Amino acid sequence: QSVLTQPPSVSAAPGQKVTISCSGSSSNIGNNYVSWYQQLPGTAPKLLIYENNKRPSGIPDRFSGSKSGTSATLGITGLQTGDEADYYCGTWDSSLSANYVFGTGTKVTVL
Amino acid sequence: EVQLVESGGVVVQPGGSLRLSCAASGFTFDDYAMHWVRQAPGKGLEWVSLISWDGGSTYYADSVKGRFTISRDNSKNSLYLQMNSLRAEDTALYYCAKDIKKWGYSYDLDYWGQGTLVTVSS
Repeated sequence: QSVLTQPPSVSAAPGQKVTISCSGSSSNIGNNYVSWYQQLPGTAPKLLIYENNKRPSGIPDRFSGSKSGTSATLGITGLQTGDEADYYCGTWDSSLSANYVFGTGTKVTVL
Repeated sequence: EVQLVESGGVVVQPGGSLRLSCAASGFTFDDYAMHWVRQAPGKGLEWVSLISWDGGSTYYADSVKGRFTISRDNSKNSLYLQMNSLRAEDTALYYCAKDIKKWGYSYDLDYWGQGTLVTVSS
């Protein structure tokens, strides 16, 4: 059971926008950077966002990240069929058993 | 081009041992920390372990602490995971991944291998 909670699924039509939330606490999101990963079916995860809102080279600006308090959000604009994937947030958790933790994951469906 | 290629995944009995390897190329291996992350069938991601660029520091998830050992051979551009006392719940696809930060670590993983499957079953 992850300490980072994401909605199981979100969906929208092509061209629309979706947002994915990642809810945590002061021991993780509240005091640490958040990253986001995209995992296309049958493939390895891919880094989309790091340090809350930075994009690695090659990641289009349709993907954006933000953080407020103990929650983080991934936004995807101009949704494309190729964006159908699982998305995971991740951050350091400095509670009793300090670990890096991933969120529960969100399946994005393009209608 | 950065490439990470894992190997060593097999079917092993509970209580058994296994060593995974990850061959790296396309970047200066000994400049970067490396990680192992696993994914049980149909489940989410779980961070397993980290080793610093020079091998001097290692960290583990509670779920594997005392049973798994991460190591690296910078002369061979290779990362390893020694897995002992394996349990059914260790069944997963194991990925090696590169940290984005040079001469440090940030847990931001910018390159991943395709994974190697470990199945723990009698």
